[in-house]
Amino acid sequence: GAVVSQHPSWVICKSGTSVKIECRSLDFQATTMFWYRQFPKQSLMLMATSNEGSKATYEQGVEKDKFLINHASLTLSTLTVTSAHPEDSSFYICSAREQGAAKNIQYFGAGTRLSVL
Amino acid sequence: KQEVTQIPAALSVPEGENLVLNCSFTDSAIYNLQWFRQDPGKGLTSLLLIQSSQREQTSGRLNASLDKSSGRSTLYIAASQPGDSATYLCAVTMDSNYQLIWGAGTKLIIKP
Repeated sequence: GAVVSQHPSWVICKSGTSVKIECRSLDFQATTMFWYRQFPKQSLMLMATSNEGSKATYEQGVEKDKFLINHASLTLSTLTVTSAHPEDSSFYICSAREQGAAKNIQYFGAGTRLSVL
Repeated sequence: KQEVTQIPAALSVPEGENLVLNCSFTDSAIYNLQWFRQDPGKGLTSLLLIQSSQREQTSGRLNASLDKSSGRSTLYIAASQPGDSATYLCAVTMDSNYQLIWGAGTKLIIKP
C-alpha cells in the first residue's frame, strides 16, 4: 500500500524558534497533500491543502505566515512553524492524495508531536 | 456546516466483550465514511471505508454500518482483545469537495 513518511516524529523546541516538518510520499506521486492539527482529545482539524507547484490553501483561522507550507515536488511537502510558541504545541499529521487516484482517498503520515517550551 | 460526533468519548470494557462505537453526522451529503484507529502519539490506520451507497463493511472482527439518512454509523468490535485498545476516529468525506471532517474519537481500553 501507499506509504507516507513524516519526519520528525517528535520535536521539542524553544519558544521563538522555527520548526520544519517533512511529509513524503514514498512510493507514489502526490499532487495534493493535507496538513492537520490535533489537540488532545479533539478531532483532527484541517489546516491547509497544498498542491504541488502552487500556493497552499489555508483554512479559515490558520495564519499562513505562521504556518509556511511548501510543496515543491510531487513527493514532498513541508510545514514550517515559524516563531513557535507554547500554544503551537500540538500533534501535526500530514496526508497525501495520489496523482490520478480517487479524490476521496488520503494516505496518512504517522504524525509529529511538537512541544514548544 | 458538517459536524461529526462520537459517543462515548471513552470506553473501558473487559477482554472478550463485544462492543459498539457510535458516530453521528449532521449533513447527509457525504461521499463516504471511514473508521480509523490511532495509537497513542501515532498516526492513523484506516480500518473500514463505507461508500455512501453501502450499508456496511466487514473486516475480521470489525463491522461498520452506515445509515446515511439518519446520519449515523456504528463500529462493532467482536470478542475484544487488549490489542484493540486505541482511539477510534470516524471521518466523513464531503460530497462537495472531498474534505474529511473528523469526530473527536472514542478512546477504547480493553482490560485483560
